[in-house]
Amino acid sequence: DVKVTQSSRYLVKRTGEKVFLECVQDMDHENMFWYRQDPGLGLRLIYFSYDVKMKEKGDIPEGYSVSREKKERFSLILESASTNQTSMYLCASSTRGLPGELFFGEGSRLTVL
Amino acid sequence: GQQLNQSPQSMFIQEGEDVSMNCTSSSIFNTWLWYKQDPGEGPVLLIALYKAGELTSNGRLTAQFGITRKDSFLNISASIPSDVGIYFCAGQRPGTYKYIFGTGTRLKVLA
Repeated sequence: DVKVTQSSRYLVKRTGEKVFLECVQDMDHENMFWYRQDPGLGLRLIYFSYDVKMKEKGDIPEGYSVSREKKERFSLILESASTNQTSMYLCASSTRGLPGELFFGEGSRLTVL
Repeated sequence: GQQLNQSPQSMFIQEGEDVSMNCTSSSIFNTWLWYKQDPGEGPVLLIALYKAGELTSNGRLTAQFGITRKDSFLNISASIPSDVGIYFCAGQRPGTYKYIFGTGTRLKVLA
């Protein structure tokens, strides 16, 4: 079975804290994605990585950064968390080949107080 | 970001009934994916479609890739209570690794 694992299912942080969200996939996929999901707004792409150390901004990268040091791991970093970053964060991965199936992790629910 | 038009937004149905939902776009896609998402969980991939006109089944679920490549349909036959959840589509445009997602259909099944 394919597996995308997100390190934390639920987090509560305070405004200004640095937050790390970790994602690991075991499918040897080249592409990895970070989305946030909010009611009424659907899934919005934050960042995308198509290879180790490579990254591309998505639709809403402001306030976020990412790290991809190993093929299987893609981290999302909130340098200074704010209340408007309270959301469900979803990691996903897909193969390099087109077309591709996209597999999601279980999600990380972040609350910033 | 852009979202695909998905309808209906929500539906209540009786257990045992069939359900249909669809996604439409003004752009063509080379992949259509259908997902189910339970509250507080990540989306689970149900069906993947790769060619115009393709019809694919997964148990009681059947999905079709529209001939124009601008739409896709998902049917659920003989619905059961555990079909409750949010279903959404995702499309991948030619030559890109990025996906565009539908607005979701919330399904509620009455026993």
